[in-house]
Amino acid sequence: SQQGEEDPQALSIQEGENATMNCSYKTSINNLQWYRQNSGRGLVHLILIRSNEREKHSGRLRVTLDTSKKSSSLLITASRAADTASYFCATVPYNAGNMLTFGGGTRLMVKP
Amino acid sequence: SQTIHQWPATLVQPVGSPLSLECTVEGTSNPNLYWYRQAAGRGLQLLFYSVGIGQISSEVPQNLSASRPQDRQFILSSKKLLLSDSGFYLCAWMGSMNTEAFFGQGTRLTVV
Repeated sequence: SQQGEEDPQALSIQEGENATMNCSYKTSINNLQWYRQNSGRGLVHLILIRSNEREKHSGRLRVTLDTSKKSSSLLITASRAADTASYFCATVPYNAGNMLTFGGGTRLMVKP
Repeated sequence: SQTIHQWPATLVQPVGSPLSLECTVEGTSNPNLYWYRQAAGRGLQLLFYSVGIGQISSEVPQNLSASRPQDRQFILSSKKLLLSDSGFYLCAWMGSMNTEAFFGQGTRLTVV
């Protein structure tokens, strides 16, 4: 079953603009993670945010988590053409062992 | 360092034929192991995950099965493939629930 749902499903922006992707989930979680996937490849981990954290930064990436709304957002600042990829959120649900479930993803296109 | 191997990269199989996809992990012990399937342009569907040798949790009733004969080996199998089994299959491992997951490069399976 899919725990998370990303919004929007697709996003097209110009290089230099910021990109914001949102993720909603259904049950309580231990942590939420964001991944990136280039076309036809495996996924690469970007950021992990624990349920007791509200915000994390890594380079041009900023992730927020609102457990009361069961939602998270990923912000990519000053986007580059190389950021073109699909972005997925994943959750480790609370009390579900080490299950790791993914949402449907946001397909980001950054135009040069 | 830890690495994950998944093979083959592409596979074309006739309907009704058997399937065996193998995933092995190096450089870690007692990993949590996962099999996902991804339809074109869609999110990742969790098929199976394993927290230890011989321990398999199935998330989706289907034509597939999984086995973990060794600590760092995870096998996805089918006795008779269906057209609907076509997709991109990804193997992943995670050390503990609050660490990132690492993905293999995936197997693109086409059932004809």
